[in-house]
Amino acid sequence: EIVMTQSPATLSVSPGERATLSCRASQSVSSNLAWYQQKPGQAPRLLISGASTRATGIPARFSGSGSGTEFTLTISSLQSEDFAIYYCQQYDKLPPITFGGGTKVEIK
Amino acid sequence: EFQLLESGGGLVQPGGSLRLSCATSGFTFNTYAMNWVRQAPGEGLEWVSLITSSGGATYYADSVKGRFTISRDNSKNTLYLQMNSLRADDTAIYYCAKDGGPYGYNAFDYWGQGTLVTVSS
Repeated sequence: EIVMTQSPATLSVSPGERATLSCRASQSVSSNLAWYQQKPGQAPRLLISGASTRATGIPARFSGSGSGTEFTLTISSLQSEDFAIYYCQQYDKLPPITFGGGTKVEIK
Repeated sequence: EFQLLESGGGLVQPGGSLRLSCATSGFTFNTYAMNWVRQAPGEGLEWVSLITSSGGATYYADSVKGRFTISRDNSKNTLYLQMNSLRADDTAIYYCAKDGGPYGYNAFDYWGQGTLVTVSS
């Protein structure tokens, strides 16, 4: 099983600042890595697939990078609606498909 | 517009069974794999199961293998999850999620709103 580890667990950021979230895989997943955003009481929403491709309707302030075992989600200028929990997911090898434990982005 | 609507959740006693459904519309259901993902209260996301577009292959998390069965009816555009021998640690919101391709190995591009399953005596 590929273990996905996200850091930090919580990130305190002021509106307008940049946020950088990390995700590490226990073995290479190539670029088969997705990022999801989840707000309280809502289903997750796909932000990024293929490590760096924004999903339909996702603003350009969200960007993904990395390959192999190290990945980054960057939110260039945090808006109020961006405070949420973010999950990475590998879909390179299954079963199982695995998610990271999440990073909560909170208002500083 | 893509729509996925789960139903069938509820309160069940340990050892009991439930069948979840996910009715879909807005896309060609029979050309995409489908997934179930769950989230225990206050916890992260856990993938549960995947079924390919034709239904010819299914995959399960170890935590549910032998107890849960995923299936689909492409004539009804509906995904199912039969859950047997339920345990307290199966308590979670269960989401159905559309895969980006027919065989898996893609991100989950659309999700339903979830249905809550509570296993308790």
